[in-house]
Amino acid sequence: DVVMTQFPLSLPVSPGEPASISCRSNQSLLHSNRYNYLDWYLQKPGKSPQLLIFLASHRASGVPDRFSGSGSGTEFTLEISRVEAEDVGVYYCMQALQTPPAFGPGTKVHI
Amino acid sequence: QVQLVQSGAEVKKPGSSVKVSCKVSGDTFRNYAITWVREVPGQGLEWMGRILPIVRRVDQSPKFQGRVTITADKSTSTAYMELNRLRPEDTAVYFCARDPKGSGNYIGLDPWGQGTPVMVSS
Repeated sequence: DVVMTQFPLSLPVSPGEPASISCRSNQSLLHSNRYNYLDWYLQKPGKSPQLLIFLASHRASGVPDRFSGSGSGTEFTLEISRVEAEDVGVYYCMQALQTPPAFGPGTKVHI
Repeated sequence: QVQLVQSGAEVKKPGSSVKVSCKVSGDTFRNYAITWVREVPGQGLEWMGRILPIVRRVDQSPKFQGRVTITADKSTSTAYMELNRLRPEDTAVYFCARDPKGSGNYIGLDPWGQGTPVMVSS
């Protein structure tokens, strides 16, 4: 099975400042169609997870453009250009290339 | 607008079973799967399995094989996840999500249901 790791696991942020989360997989997530099957989700306190980024760099509908995803193969990054107070929560990466899909351990972003 | 509405909170005894439902509105099961994920307190998100109702194909995490049954009723656009032989460590919030598996166009797990808390306690 594919194993996902994230760092840091806890990330203190300041409003208006940038933030970055890294995600690694133990196997390449690059499909033969040249897409990387890596998603990013945000789970705000007491809420359901919400999709931010799919296929490593595609922003989901309604997601602010301060969120961006990058990376390929086994290393990926989620960046927030300017953190807002509403961005606090736990961020998860998830590989969707192989079954079973797997989530990273999560990165708690807090102010 | 697609919505996934789950059944309500449950309290169960160890050794019993729980069945959680996930009703899809604003869309049909055509070309989409329903994935089940749980959030164990302090342990993050865990993928449990999914069903592609149009062909009744089920994928399950090896961790839950033998204990979880995932089904779907196309007539009511409702998916179900039943977990058997419950243990206290199964206490979690269980989520369903629309999964583009089978659609040929991957767009991530979206949207998600509101979650169903399940407590397992004697």
